[in-house]
Parts: sequence; C-alpha cells; structure tokens
Amino acid sequence: DSGVTQTPKHLITATGQRVTLRCSPRSGDLSVYWYQQSLDQGLQFLIQYYNGEERAKGNILERFSAQQFPDLHSELNLSSLELGDSALYFCASSESLSSGNTIYFGEGSWLTVV
Amino acid sequence: AQSVTQLGSHVSVSEGALVLLRCNYSSSVPPYLFWYVQYPNQGLQLLLKYTTGATLVKGINGFEAEFKKSETSFHLTKPSAHMSDAAEYFCAASGTASKLTFGTGTRLQVTL
Repeated sequence: DSGVTQTPKHLITATGQRVTLRCSPRSGDLSVYWYQQSLDQGLQFLIQYYNGEERAKGNILERFSAQQFPDLHSELNLSSLELGDSALYFCASSESLSSGNTIYFGEGSWLTVV
Repeated sequence: AQSVTQLGSHVSVSEGALVLLRCNYSSSVPPYLFWYVQYPNQGLQLLLKYTTGATLVKGINGFEAEFKKSETSFHLTKPSAHMSDAAEYFCAASGTASKLTFGTGTRLQVTL
C-alpha cells in the first residue's frame, strides 16, 4: 500500500459526459501528479500540483482540468469525454519538488468511455 | 528534454535464469533514474532509484541496477528469476523538475 488513495477504482461512462477522479496523497506529501496510462500512449504525465499551486503541465488536453485543495487532495476533471480517453489514470505524490524524491503511485482509476 | 528508451517490450526468461531489462536515457543533465514495477491490475511500485553516489543501486525483491554515465544506461538485473517477478517494468527519469518521464515498459514473462 503506497498510501495514495484514488477513487473511484472503476468508472464507465458515455461519450460527451464529464467525470471527476479523486486523489488523496500520502500523509505529509505536498506534491501531487496525474498520469494517464493507455495502450497506445504508454504512461503520460498530465499535470503536477504543489501545495495547491500548479507547477508543471504535460500532455493534458484542454478538456481536462485539475486542482489541489487546501487539504492537499486533488481532483482531475475530464469533460466532453471521447472513446480515446479510456485509460488508467494514476495519481501520485511526493514530499517536495526535489527531483530525487520518490514518487508514490496510487492504484489508479480505470475509465472506460462507451 | 529527457527521454527514456527501454529495449524490448517483452522479455521471457526461465525461472532461475538471469533477468536483464535494458534502459537508456537521453538527457542534457545527469538525471535521477528509477525503476518501477506494475503487477496486473495494480499501481506502480518503486523497485529502486539512483540519485547520487554509488552507481550500483540495490532495490527490493533482489533487483539491482547500475548507472553507467558513459553508456547513458540504467539496466535492471536480478540473478535468478522467480515466477512472482512476472510483471511490467518501467524505467523513468527526472531532471530539474520532479516529474517523471517513463519508458514504454518491458513485460517480463517467467516460464518454468
């Protein structure tokens, strides 16, 4: 158990819909990351927050947004869903912004768009 | 920009045989390097990481990796494979920013 909690574990929704994925980082970790894992794209970095502020952005679509709340939990919002958005979405956390920090991953949220 | 290349999307070894999973990185600055393992229907678990210091890094479950700057490599090895090692393995790097750049992964199959 990494200490990173993600909900829901599985989600099936229709095209055009909107979903929210939730993440609670490890106790004490200030940095939260979101990654997308799909068969064709592999593991792609989406976005990073540190203590409530956005710190880095990767291959995140404009239809997707995220935020980190004062209690440090984070949410990833996916809207106008398309079939190609079906993937495993990971949340991860680390203590700080240091590059050598270990990043701990949750078990992921499986999103299926039908 | 960093990139990580894992040679071989699938590797099959016999139980008890040496495991060698290859990883090369491309970076303008010395990166921090990581190996993660993903078991079916689970998240990513850190096996080991290289930050500074000793270039031979020992991790969990008997795995180790050696950082070779001259070869820009960070190959993962285990002397004797076990059936429970069957999983997907990801090499990753981070540079000046803490986010990880992952390779495409290598699926390890262990046969009897």
